Amino acid sequence: SQTIHQWPATLVQPVGSPLSLECTVEGTSNPNLYWYRQAAGRGLQLLFYSVGIGQISSEVPQNLSASRPQDRQFILSSKKLLLSDSGFYLCAWSWGVNEKLFFGSGTQLSVL
Amino acid sequence: DQQVKQNSPSLSVQEGRISILNCDYTNSMFDYFLWYKKYPAEGPTFLISISSIKDKNEDGRFTVFLNKSAKHLSLHIVPSQPGDSAVYFCAASQGGSEKLVFGKGTKLTVNP
Repeated sequence: SQTIHQWPATLVQPVGSPLSLECTVEGTSNPNLYWYRQAAGRGLQLLFYSVGIGQISSEVPQNLSASRPQDRQFILSSKKLLLSDSGFYLCAWSWGVNEKLFFGSGTQLSVL
Repeated sequence: DQQVKQNSPSLSVQEGRISILNCDYTNSMFDYFLWYKKYPAEGPTFLISISSIKDKNEDGRFTVFLNKSAKHLSLHIVPSQPGDSAVYFCAASQGGSEKLVFGKGTKLTVNP
């Protein structure tokens, strides 16, 4: 069976510090991978998605970036965090187009 | 431009009664629709989906109805249980797209 791991569960970072969130998927190969963010009182906003190693599509211009160094690994990064980067970050995977997403347990990021 | 709209931020129902959650969309190219359930500090979990070639899909206590002419879908939960209390997200995708577009969610509270 397939599982998705996302860590850490919570993170408190000062403004201007770097960020690295990691997500890995087990039990499947060549999944589509996604980063979503849920800001306080808002819905799920798609940040990045990837259909293969090294292939990243950005949905929202911001100071975040994503990388996919391995088939089942997806990393969300920032060089300098802003207060507005606070939120609940979710990694997800799917088998392809028109397929449901399977979400990780999320990372609650607080930028202070 | 919000393509998937959930206009009711919250809904409260009595245990045993029907819960009806609504969702509207603007993109007529959407052809696959899903509902997710989310508890606080957890990732969303898939509930039920429907393709645009159908107008109804049922899974146990959950039924999703799709009205393509009105660009409207709804999720019915019968009977509602206290464990159903969560935030429900409507999502949609367009044929050939890897992306799911989510609404802002509706918080359902089922009172004992």
